[in-house]
Amino acid sequence: EVQLVESGGGLVKPGGSLRLSCAASGFTFSAYSMTWVRQAPGKGLEWVSSISSAGSYIYYADSLKGRFTISRDNAKHSLYLQMNSLRAEDTAVYYCAKVLHRQQLDDAFDIWGHGTLVTVSS
Amino acid sequence: DIQMTQSPSSVSASVGDRVTITCQASQNIDNWLVWYQQKPGKAPKLLIYAGSSLQSGVPSRFSGNISVTGFTLTISSLQLEDFATYYCQQANSFPLTFGGGTKVEIK
Repeated sequence: EVQLVESGGGLVKPGGSLRLSCAASGFTFSAYSMTWVRQAPGKGLEWVSSISSAGSYIYYADSLKGRFTISRDNAKHSLYLQMNSLRAEDTAVYYCAKVLHRQQLDDAFDIWGHGTLVTVSS
Repeated sequence: DIQMTQSPSSVSASVGDRVTITCQASQNIDNWLVWYQQKPGKAPKLLIYAGSSLQSGVPSRFSGNISVTGFTLTISSLQLEDFATYYCQQANSFPLTFGGGTKVEIK
C-alpha cells in the first residue's frame, strides 16, 4: 500500500524549532519529487516547499524567508522539514505529499499523509 | 506569483444536483490545473490533473474542463459523499498556488 506518514509535530514556543519527518512506503521513493503543504486552522491549503527526486532542485514559498529547510534521505525513504524561528502564523497541519508523475517537480499531488499539527504558542 | 481565484466560495446543493466550480489564474498556466477534494479532518484527495484528466479511482461524475474563461470542475449528479471543500491548484510554475476553496454544502 502506498503510504506517507508524518511525525514530529507538536507545541513549540515562538522562536523555537521543530523538525518534521515523513516516512514513505509502497512506492519507489527515490523516483518522485516530494512536497510539503500546510493548512492553518479553518483556512485553505498553502504550498510550503518542494524537492526533486534526487534533492537537486528545491523550492520554497516566499513567505518562509529562509526559515524552513526541506531535505530527503532516499536510502531511508524519508522526507524532512526543518522549521526554525517559528511564528504563531506557522501554526497549521503540515502534510507531506507525493507528486503524480515520475521526474516531475511541479505537478499534482496524488498521495498525501494524514498530516501533523504544529502549534506555535507561548 | 500566480493567483488562483475560485468561485463561488460556497454553494448549497441537493443530492442529484449538477454543481460547477470555477477557477481562474492570474497568468497563463496552459492546462496545468489540478482539483482536489477535502473532507473535514482529512487530507486532500486528487480528483483531476492537467485540467481535465480524471485521476484513477475517481468517479466519472467528476469532470474538469478548460475554456477561454478559465477552468471548471463539474459534479454531474451530486452524491452524499461529495459534500466537501474543493480546491484548485496551479502546477505550471513555482511557487505553486491554491485557490481559496469552495465548500459544497447540503441544501
